[in-house]
Amino acid sequence: GENVEQHPSTLSVQEGDSAVIKCTYSDSASNYFPWYKQELGKRPQLIIDIRSNVGEKKDQRIAVTLNKTAKHFSLHITETQPEDSAVYFCAATYRDDKIIFGKGTRLHILP
Amino acid sequence: DAGVIQSPRHEVTEMGQEVTLRCKPISGHNSLFWYRQTMMRGLELLIYFNNNVPIDDSGMPEDRFSAKMPNASFSTLKIQPSEPRDSAVYFCASSLKEGTQYFGPGTRLLVL
Repeated sequence: GENVEQHPSTLSVQEGDSAVIKCTYSDSASNYFPWYKQELGKRPQLIIDIRSNVGEKKDQRIAVTLNKTAKHFSLHITETQPEDSAVYFCAATYRDDKIIFGKGTRLHILP
Repeated sequence: DAGVIQSPRHEVTEMGQEVTLRCKPISGHNSLFWYRQTMMRGLELLIYFNNNVPIDDSGMPEDRFSAKMPNASFSTLKIQPSEPRDSAVYFCASSLKEGTQYFGPGTRLLVL
């Protein structure tokens, strides 16, 4: 079946520390894994994505890792800043175009 | 590009009324998705189209919900009759085939 599990549901980190959000997926055929950030009252926006032919991708303070064998992928945010506070969604493709989203992680950056 | 356009941005209606939400995808995108977002259920895919053809409507909650895509630049999501539990934010998103999905600003629906 189609399922993406995301943990934790809520995460609080001190400003400057790192944050890690983890997801697992069920469909071994999934080959595209985007991450979206949603600020309060706004639309989800893509922040980084990874395809199944690579194990890691980095963009400034954000990195994503993928373990296809274990069907795990993770988002890492380093040197967190107040503007990183938002809800983050992982997602995985299922049957080509369809994307299944995780339930989201509410990230709080503490001053 | 203007991005995905949705209208209306806010809708308040009374139970039993018909609600029509509209979406204009990004020009050139051939896949269009309708999502519903609530605190309890998160982001749910309702239906998606590829080249104007509905591919998967398994997420449509009930027969009260229907969606159409008469051409590549326009789609509607209709709820008839509406109920209070339909209150949510409805997002439309579009993409190239197997590409990144870009979300519209959403329609915030409140059914009284």
